[in-house]
Amino acid sequence: QKEVEQDPGPLSVPEGAIVSLNCTYSNSAFQYFMWYRQYSRKGPELLMYTYSSGNKEDGRFTAQVDKSSKYISLFIRDSQPSDSATYLCAMSANDYKLSFGAGTTVTVRA
Amino acid sequence: DSGVTQTPKHLITATGQRVTLRCSPRSGDLSVYWYQQSLDQGLQFLIQYYNGEERAKGNILERFSAQQFPDLHSELNLSSLELGDSALYFCASSYSSTGGRDEKLFFGSGTQLSVL
Repeated sequence: QKEVEQDPGPLSVPEGAIVSLNCTYSNSAFQYFMWYRQYSRKGPELLMYTYSSGNKEDGRFTAQVDKSSKYISLFIRDSQPSDSATYLCAMSANDYKLSFGAGTTVTVRA
Repeated sequence: DSGVTQTPKHLITATGQRVTLRCSPRSGDLSVYWYQQSLDQGLQFLIQYYNGEERAKGNILERFSAQQFPDLHSELNLSSLELGDSALYFCASSYSSTGGRDEKLFFGSGTQLSVL
C-alpha cells in the first residue's frame, strides 16, 4: 500500500463547476499538507499549504485537512479552462521529506 | 518561470549507459532536491543537498549519485541505466534546508530521460 493514495482520474468538468480532489494517507506522523499544480511539460508549482487539521481558503481554492480520517481535499470553485492541469497532493512529517500522491488530471471544458 | 534551470530537457540513451543531469537552483537558494516522476510511481524524492552537503536521502538507487558544487549547482549521475529508469527527473530548490515543509519548493521543468 502506498503511503499517499490519490485517484489519478482523469476528471472532466464543465467551466464554472466545482472541482473536488482528495487524497488519503497512512502515515499518522504527517503534519504538513500541500497541493501542487502541474501543467503539461512543466514542474509542479505550490498551490496551497496547510499545517495540521483545518481549512484554508485562497481565492477560488479551498484546502481541507482531516487528520482523524487521514484525508485531505482540495476544492476549486468556478473552475476555468486555465485550471486544466494535474493536481498532486503532498505531505511531510517533521523530517520534511515530501511524499506525493500520484496526481489527478483535471480538464475543465469551455 | 520558477528560476530553476535544468539541462538537458530531453535525453535518449541506451541500457547500460551513464548520464549526467544538471540543475542550477534559483539565485540565493542553498538547497537542491532531486525527484523522479514516472507513470507508475508518481513523484518520488531521491536526494537533497544543502550548501554542498548531502542532507536527506529518499528512494535513490545505488546506481544513482548526486553532488552539489561550490557554486550551488547540482548534478545527478545515473549509471548502468535500465529501461525502468526512463522517467522525468525534476530538480527543485529552496533557501532553507527544510524546504517543502517550512518553505515553498521551486521546481524546474525537468529532464525527460528515455532509456532504449
